[in-house]
Amino acid sequence: KAGVTQTPRYLIKTRGQQVTLSCSPISGHRSVSWYQQTPGQGLQFLFEYFSETQRNKGNFPGRFSGRQFSNSRSEMNVSTLELGDSALYLCASSLYPSGEQETQYFGPGTRLLVL
Amino acid sequence: AQKVTQAQTEISVVEKEDVTLDCVYETRDTTYYLFWYKQPPSGELVFLIRRNSFDEQNEISGRYSWNFQKSTSSFNFTITASQVVDSAVYFCALSDSRVLSGAGSYQLTFGKGTKLSVIP
Repeated sequence: KAGVTQTPRYLIKTRGQQVTLSCSPISGHRSVSWYQQTPGQGLQFLFEYFSETQRNKGNFPGRFSGRQFSNSRSEMNVSTLELGDSALYLCASSLYPSGEQETQYFGPGTRLLVL
Repeated sequence: AQKVTQAQTEISVVEKEDVTLDCVYETRDTTYYLFWYKQPPSGELVFLIRRNSFDEQNEISGRYSWNFQKSTSSFNFTITASQVVDSAVYFCALSDSRVLSGAGSYQLTFGKGTKLSVIP
């Protein structure tokens, strides 16, 4: 069974640009969560999608958005990039939404560098 | 506001030693969830355990065990007979109960992580 895949793996953008990252969950998984990891702020939760609906959202500005498609693939978009958006963006999938018995499986991450 | 403290920034142990990673949390919620994750040098996070605030039973999974003590707001993680493959950064995290209801916004707070190096 293929694991969680994230594309691209590495990305370089300049300030002011926008970026779209993609996450394909494990086949059959319907929940996708996104996380940001930076040296300064550490790991932070961005949002969670289940069946094309955003279920939960962390404390990030509106420049960060996401969506989930009918095949459970998810994209996250960051508009008007800032230097501080440079980070490792991790995606995790699970069968159902965050709950008692759910195990999350993480992808390898997309490393974004904003210049 | 929630807070997770992993006071040990880095720990080094010799292979086969036991090691305990500390996690202390703060929350005003009565219902909450605690997690441990592992991030090996490859960078891919690995989910280890989720525990809710009503279940104070200790958990054992192979060489891993977790000690949850509400009285001291701690959720410590012990690796028995450590191996080189255990070398990683370990994160403890805390979430509020809204995660289950899909209430929209909820808090999930990670600790800064403890880097464990197991020396052969």
